[in-house]
Amino acid sequence: NAGVTQTPKFRVLKTGQSMTLLCAQDMNHEYMYWYRQDPGMGLRLIHYSVGEGTTAKGEVPDGYNVSRLKKQNFLLGLESAAPSQTSVYFCASSYLQTDSYEQYFGPGTRLTVT
Amino acid sequence: KNEVEQSPQNLTAQEGEFITINCSYSVGISALHWLQQHPGGGIVSLFMLSSGKKKHGRLIATINIQEKHSSLHITASHPRDSAVYICAVPETSGSRLTFGEGTQLTVNP
Repeated sequence: NAGVTQTPKFRVLKTGQSMTLLCAQDMNHEYMYWYRQDPGMGLRLIHYSVGEGTTAKGEVPDGYNVSRLKKQNFLLGLESAAPSQTSVYFCASSYLQTDSYEQYFGPGTRLTVT
Repeated sequence: KNEVEQSPQNLTAQEGEFITINCSYSVGISALHWLQQHPGGGIVSLFMLSSGKKKHGRLIATINIQEKHSSLHITASHPRDSAVYICAVPETSGSRLTFGEGTQLTVNP
């Protein structure tokens, strides 16, 4: 099993450009998450999904959109990138709710917006 | 929203020392997670515990549900233990985690 994979690993964008980050998991997990990690701050939840076709806002959703058309994939979109979105983005998945199951993390995507 | 506090924020130890990292949270929970983030950035789950103590190799995690406190201990620390250790607690719905800011551990040879 590959576990949780993220594409791309690195990306540099200019302000105003758009991009999509792809997260894929092969563990048949229901729940998937997108986080951002910034220096001096804990992981912050952007959006999450509790099943195929469902999405929900997390702690810092502004400027991002997501889609979960297939159970194994969770896409994070930036429609018009801003320098404040420079961060490391992590995707994670879990079998079901996180008070009973651990989360598995992808390797991260380092995004720089100039 | 559950508030999660970790201490210390930074910890430097000599190889072989016993390490303790603490985590406190504000709202009662059913389980708590400890994670490790390697210098390369990868994040792995170490423990998920709801009561008592769990042990995995040189790592021991304890939790006191009544006092809303958990500790992560590392016995006979080694330079390869150098990493950021993160505790996380689920929100009431159970579908989301709230993370502490992490403890940066450096173990010197």
